Amino acid sequence: EPEVTQTPSHQVTQMGQEVILRCVPISNHLYFYWYRQILGQKVEFLVSFYNNEISEKSEIFDDQFSVERPDGSNFTLKIRSTKLEDSAMYFCASSEPGGQGVGQPQHFGDGTRLSIL
Amino acid sequence: AQTVTQSQPEMSVQEAETVTLSCTYDTSESDYYLFWYKQPPSRQMILVIRQEAYKQQNATENRFSVNFQKAAKSFSLKISDSQLGDAAMYFCAYRRGYGGATNKLIFGTGTLLAVQP
Repeated sequence: EPEVTQTPSHQVTQMGQEVILRCVPISNHLYFYWYRQILGQKVEFLVSFYNNEISEKSEIFDDQFSVERPDGSNFTLKIRSTKLEDSAMYFCASSEPGGQGVGQPQHFGDGTRLSIL
Repeated sequence: AQTVTQSQPEMSVQEAETVTLSCTYDTSESDYYLFWYKQPPSRQMILVIRQEAYKQQNATENRFSVNFQKAAKSFSLKISDSQLGDAAMYFCAYRRGYGGATNKLIFGTGTLLAVQP
């Protein structure tokens, strides 16, 4: 069964450094998402991406965050200057095209655990 | 704004028994989708079951079934014949129905299910 793949599984970064989290969505999917989960808390939406542009973003997704689909397979989340509170599990998800209002489920990757020191 | 509430932080069930996890949501929309995701200790997010709000029939997926009460805005998950592998955090999630597949998932805070041998 096709999977969403995320790399790395664990990233440790010094505060203030840039970090790029990588995702390979399922190949025929057209809608991409990033979510994050701070330890012990619920999963929160960050951003959705379709047709090479951001469709929706949350209040968390400030100017420090950016997303990109640099080629036909990868989908990346970049944090420019990391803060301690960025420590979390980051999930990438994708869903296939299904027309307006069709509830195509989002398939999640295994996540990247980001630890900011 | 839509909200999802899971009032049971933890539940426990004996192996082979049945357990029901509760979820309520608040929305003014009539067209939406509801999902249950499972997150085992490995932290990956796995889709368990989904329900379209326009469907009166409750969704079923093998040992997993839902009790969808639209008027009461309730969406509980029933796990029959519980297995040790069912032990995980279970998240209820809401997604609006219009606007295509770019719509974000709104998650509840989760219910941690323990399965006793």
